[in-house]
Amino acid sequence: QVQLVQSGAEVKKPGASVKVSCKASGYTFTSYYMHWVRQAPGQGLEWMGIINPSGGSTSYAQKFQGRVTMTRDTSTSTVYMELSSLRSEDTAVYYCARVPPYDDAFDIWGQGTMVTVSS
Amino acid sequence: EIVLTQSPGTLSLSPGERATLSCRASQSVSSSYLAWYQQKPGQAPRLLIYGASSRATGIPDRFSGSGSGTDFTLTISRLEPEDFAVYYCQQYGSSPTTFGPGTKVDIK
Repeated sequence: QVQLVQSGAEVKKPGASVKVSCKASGYTFTSYYMHWVRQAPGQGLEWMGIINPSGGSTSYAQKFQGRVTMTRDTSTSTVYMELSSLRSEDTAVYYCARVPPYDDAFDIWGQGTMVTVSS
Repeated sequence: EIVLTQSPGTLSLSPGERATLSCRASQSVSSSYLAWYQQKPGQAPRLLIYGASSRATGIPDRFSGSGSGTDFTLTISRLEPEDFAVYYCQQYGSSPTTFGPGTKVDIK
């Protein structure tokens, strides 16, 4: 079945970086763009950026420009999101979500990865 | 960017009742690129409605979406126990895509 499986929870110190993975299965990896969205504890959803798994092109939310890098590995059908210069406000659950070719709504989501930033 | 406002913030209803959730955009949402998601505690969001009114795969027909321009509505015709959750709207017609703050539907 179609699924996105993310890496496990992380605890990082302020100033460090974190790299979260999202492994796709059950569909043609390169046919669906992938987004990253985060959700701080008790808060709403915040879009971070998008990657085209086919060519690797990316577009990031202005808020994260310079701090976020999204990459992909087509050999393992995995996308990655790396966030640097972490601060306490980056404590959140990070989700990957794909969009189908016929529409840009997020039809399948990963289970989420909790990233905690604490000294 | 387009700002989405959802109302009410919390909706307290009983199973079997009808739920009407509103999503208003600060600018017109192009081509009705408006989606609704359901999120339960500890779970990822689940797509319910895309294109303002199309149900996603496997979504029961008690969920329906309507609207265009700046005003959109999600209706749950008869609430089932599993429908009590937080609902988010999202516009994806203009970059960046944005989400509303959510409406919590809880048991009265």
